Amino acid sequence: GAVVSQHPSRVICKSGTSVKIECRSLDFQATTMFWYRQFPKKSLMLMATSNEGSKATYEQGVEKDKFLINHASLTLSTLTVTSAHPEDSSFYICSASKAGVGETQYFGPGTRLLVL
Amino acid sequence: AQSVTQPDIHITVSEGASLELRCNYSYGATPYLFWYVQSPGQGLQLLLKYFSGDTLVQGIKGFEAEFKRSQSSFNLRKPSVHWSDAAEYFCAVGDSGGYQKVTFGTGTKLQVIP
Repeated sequence: GAVVSQHPSRVICKSGTSVKIECRSLDFQATTMFWYRQFPKKSLMLMATSNEGSKATYEQGVEKDKFLINHASLTLSTLTVTSAHPEDSSFYICSASKAGVGETQYFGPGTRLLVL
Repeated sequence: AQSVTQPDIHITVSEGASLELRCNYSYGATPYLFWYVQSPGQGLQLLLKYFSGDTLVQGIKGFEAEFKRSQSSFNLRKPSVHWSDAAEYFCAVGDSGGYQKVTFGTGTKLQVIP
C-alpha cells in the first residue's frame, strides 16, 4: 500500500508555456501533499505543502504565482509551472502523507521537466 | 530550524562488505528520522523510520539504523552490501510538531564494486 504516482514522468516544453504535473495517491487518502524540486546531484528542496481544500503553504523563496498548486481532492494534487523558463528545468517530486502527526511521506517517481 | 548533515558525499564499498552511512541531525525536540533511497531518475523509497521506542530500527532490504540521541546521529547500516544497493541515500528529519515538514540531507551516493 501507499503508492503515489506522478504524471507525466517526463515533459519537454517551450519557454513561456505552462506545464501541469499531477500527483495521485493511488491507495490511500492523502491529507497533505508536498512538492519538492531536486537539482542535479543535489538534495530535495521543499517547495510547498498543500492540504486538501485549502491554499498551499509555500517555502521562502518559492514564487507562488509561478508554481501554482491545487489540492482539489484527497487523492490528487497538481503543480502548474506557469510561463516556464529554462531555469525551471528540474526534477519535480511529490509526496503524500496520511492524516496524523509525523506520518510518513510516500514519494512519487518524479517528473523530469525540460524547458527549451 | 531542523537540519541534517550527511558528511559523506560518495562512498564506495565492495560487494559483500558491510556498510555504514552517517547522518547527524539538529532538532530541538525528539525528532522523527527517516532514511530514503533513490535510484537514478526515480523517486524516493522509504527504507526505515524512527519515531520513538527502540533506538535500533529495522528496515527493508536488510537495512537498519540506530538512533543515538547523545550523538544526534541516525546512521544507516547493512552487514553485507549487494550490487543492487548502489543508489543515492538520503537521511531526513521530520517536524514532530504536527506540520510534517521534512528536511533532507544532501545525500550519499553509494557505489558498489564487484
